[in-house]
Amino acid sequence: GESVGLHLPTLSVQEGDNSIINCAYSNSASDYFIWYKQESGKGPQFIIDIRSNMDKRQGQRVTVLLNKTVKHLSLQIAATQPGDSAVYFCAETYYGNNRLAFGKGNQVVVIP
Amino acid sequence: DAMVIQNPRYQVTQFGKPVTLSCSQTLNHNVMYWYQQKSSQAPKLLFHYYDKDFNNEADTPDNFQSRRPNTSFCFLDIRSPGLGDAAMYLCATNHPGQGAVTQYFGPGTRLLVL
Repeated sequence: GESVGLHLPTLSVQEGDNSIINCAYSNSASDYFIWYKQESGKGPQFIIDIRSNMDKRQGQRVTVLLNKTVKHLSLQIAATQPGDSAVYFCAETYYGNNRLAFGKGNQVVVIP
Repeated sequence: DAMVIQNPRYQVTQFGKPVTLSCSQTLNHNVMYWYQQKSSQAPKLLFHYYDKDFNNEADTPDNFQSRRPNTSFCFLDIRSPGLGDAAMYLCATNHPGQGAVTQYFGPGTRLLVL
């Protein structure tokens, strides 16, 4: 059957608190970054993206921060809800590249 | 709603018995991707089609093949499934020509090999 996977880094957060998920990316040529949310048994769902000419972008209850100097990306979720429980992946790419490079994934567990 | 559709959602096959997974999209995107995802791991790209041009990843086993008969449909064929091929298979699309770099994923097909 399917091989046993790695243990994901897990963030446990109280409902209503803010969550911060971090991602270190590897390619200094990357100029486009995406956060995906993947619930158990489902495909990854687009949350928010950011281009390298920005350092912050806000969506509904989510904010992505980009620090190109240290190649670091973060996703902040405000007022975390039980429905936010999922695995979150960052992904990077660059103009002209049709491939995404995914980070390892972070499990978020929301405690009611 | 425009979307990426995968059928079936769950597929059981026997060791060595060929299996085909399907993906369709109503987004009219010109690029379609197939990924393999194992438990607690990130999706791993197997190959993609840019329009009719097939692009295989260097480490994708020959056991995995793909067909794209038209813009809307793309198939993943596993010629002789092994136990190690049990995984979630994800289809994704995007349209770089319109600046849509983000890939949009289907719900996935969970493959079980007995």
